[in-house]
Amino acid sequence: QSALTQPRSVSGSPGQSVTISCTGTSSDVGGYNYVSWYQQHPGKAPKLMIFDVTERPSGVPDRFSGSKSGNTASLTISGLQAEDEGDYYCCSFADSYTYVFGTGTKVTVL
Amino acid sequence: QVQLVQSGAEVKKPGASVKVSCKASGYIFTSYGISWVRQAPGQGLEWIGWISAYDGSTNYAQKLQGRVTLTTDTSTSTAYMDLRSLRSDDTAVYYCAREGGSHQDYWGQGTLVTVSS
Repeated sequence: QSALTQPRSVSGSPGQSVTISCTGTSSDVGGYNYVSWYQQHPGKAPKLMIFDVTERPSGVPDRFSGSKSGNTASLTISGLQAEDEGDYYCCSFADSYTYVFGTGTKVTVL
Repeated sequence: QVQLVQSGAEVKKPGASVKVSCKASGYIFTSYGISWVRQAPGQGLEWIGWISAYDGSTNYAQKLQGRVTLTTDTSTSTAYMDLRSLRSDDTAVYYCAREGGSHQDYWGQGTLVTVSS
């Protein structure tokens, strides 16, 4: 199973919006509405930000939103804040009851 | 509150085995599965496999199949990951996470496993 493809980095100024793409295949992203997104700060465990493509866990700001079209999922951060800086990973449920993670994207707040 | 507490760092020689534990609290252990994920230094996340705490059924990533075994002890609400025939590229932080059915919602703090001669 190959890793899902994400841009290496994205950046934006405080208050701006950034979008991270996550491209897979019909065997993962395109085949299931089970895409999740994780935020990771240096030296810390990942934190769930979005699940089932669009759902936000309790406590996650509504600045974070998810979507999907075909084999590509996206995470949008609106109203970028300094604490949003970090690494972001997508993850998709895949065939044979497995999961595959994305390559990861570094978000920089300018 | 849901907590997953993992065992401490390990240093192993190539060819050896390592067993990492993950003790769960704050929820009914057998109502959820546990996924295991690893992250090599400076690299991304890699899914290893998951186990149902209800019936012990497992699924593994193809890459590690045959070298990894996931188990649980429901009497102590603890999950275990056993990785054999260690190589230098197995050096990573290993995480356990509660399996929410389609995602991993709570994560352990991570366990660094270093493989070095």
